[in-house]
Amino acid sequence: EVQLVESGGGLVQPGRSLRLSCAASGFTFDDYAMHWVRQAPGKGLEWVSSISWNSYSIGYADSVEGRFTISRDNADNSLYLQMTSLRPEDTAFYYCAKEGDTSRDFDYWGQGTLVTVSS
Amino acid sequence: DIQMTQSPSSLSASVGDRVTITCRASQKISSYLNWYQQKPGKAPKVLIYAASSLQSGVPSRFSGSGSGTDFTLTISNLQPEDSASYYCQQSYSTPWTFGQGTKVEIK
Repeated sequence: EVQLVESGGGLVQPGRSLRLSCAASGFTFDDYAMHWVRQAPGKGLEWVSSISWNSYSIGYADSVEGRFTISRDNADNSLYLQMTSLRPEDTAFYYCAKEGDTSRDFDYWGQGTLVTVSS
Repeated sequence: DIQMTQSPSSLSASVGDRVTITCRASQKISSYLNWYQQKPGKAPKVLIYAASSLQSGVPSRFSGSGSGTDFTLTISNLQPEDSASYYCQQSYSTPWTFGQGTKVEIK
């Protein structure tokens, strides 16, 4: 059974940093690209970042480019999102998601971790 | 960036009804269109990928169609458990973008 479990969320002051983790199991982690998707409370879904299976291809939404860094550790089946210079508008549930086999859809999602940026 | 526009933003329908949600892309995206269902407090779940392929385990009352710029999600024989928000998403080019969502309520 595929499982994605995020951790690392919490309350943080504007301008500070936070690192999210996603522990993956139930599939061959290093075969798949992985993504972070966020959702502000009561709002829609926003893709944040993606990383290819071998970390060679990385992408970011304009809203986080230069502030967030995605990485992965295939030996540990883990995905990370280092977030710096956090802003109140970064407040959201952050989901890690596995990319599907064919259509580049997000076929499995974690339960999400809430990041609240507030003074 | 490719903009995804969903309509309607919300709808109310009765059990057994046929419901249609549309999604329009700001440029052609071939069949790189996916549909997700999200219930309150839960993560999204993929229903349809590649515009018309039903994800394993998803009831057959869900179907998708379209290509290019115009796409449709249809729920035939609406059930109480289909009360949720539905999002389309293009996976043609980065940044991957979502529609703004459609909230489906059961009368």
